[in-house]
Amino acid sequence: EPEVTQTPSHQVTQMGQEVILRCVPISNHLYFYWYRQILGQKVEFLVSFYNNEISEKSEIFDDQFSVERPDGSNFTLKIRSTKLEDSAMYFCASMGLLGNEKLFFGSGTQLSVL
Amino acid sequence: TQLLEQSPQFLSIQEGENLTVYCNSSSVFSSLQWYRQEPGEGPVLLVTVVTGGEVKKLKRLTFQFGDARKDSSLHITAAQPGDTGLYLCAGAPLSGNTPLVFGKGTRLSVIA
Repeated sequence: EPEVTQTPSHQVTQMGQEVILRCVPISNHLYFYWYRQILGQKVEFLVSFYNNEISEKSEIFDDQFSVERPDGSNFTLKIRSTKLEDSAMYFCASMGLLGNEKLFFGSGTQLSVL
Repeated sequence: TQLLEQSPQFLSIQEGENLTVYCNSSSVFSSLQWYRQEPGEGPVLLVTVVTGGEVKKLKRLTFQFGDARKDSSLHITAAQPGDTGLYLCAGAPLSGNTPLVFGKGTRLSVIA
């Protein structure tokens, strides 16, 4: 079965540093998402991306966050100046052409901000 | 903001027992999805229910969508240790491609 790939699996960074989380969605998918899950809490929506632009974002996705699809295959989440409270598991997800199909999640990047 | 409340939050049972997990909201959803998440992994979709009153079976798992499309339940018959994991429900709001809203999950532990 096709899968969403995320790298790295773990990222440790110092507070204030920039991090880039990388995702390779399923190749023929058109809708891309970032979610995060703080330890012990629920999966929270961050941002959705379609047709090379952000289609929706949550309150969590402030000016410190940005997304890019630089080369038609990768989908990245950048956090410019990390804070302690950004520590979480970050999941990338993608969905196919119709936009109402199965959402495929990657296995996540565990971000630890020290 | 649409919220999904899952109960119970934690459940520990013996192998062979039956269990039901609930997902409730005051909001109507166009569909509701159930995911299972293993430690260190992303959620994996188990089933999507779309029609009010719909019942879907996946081996020993039975999923039901409430008539008003505000709630859902997952029933597991004769639970096995392999069923251990975090079960998440997620609702698709009525408005178009709005992102899924997730519940906090039910952490199930099945003891052999």
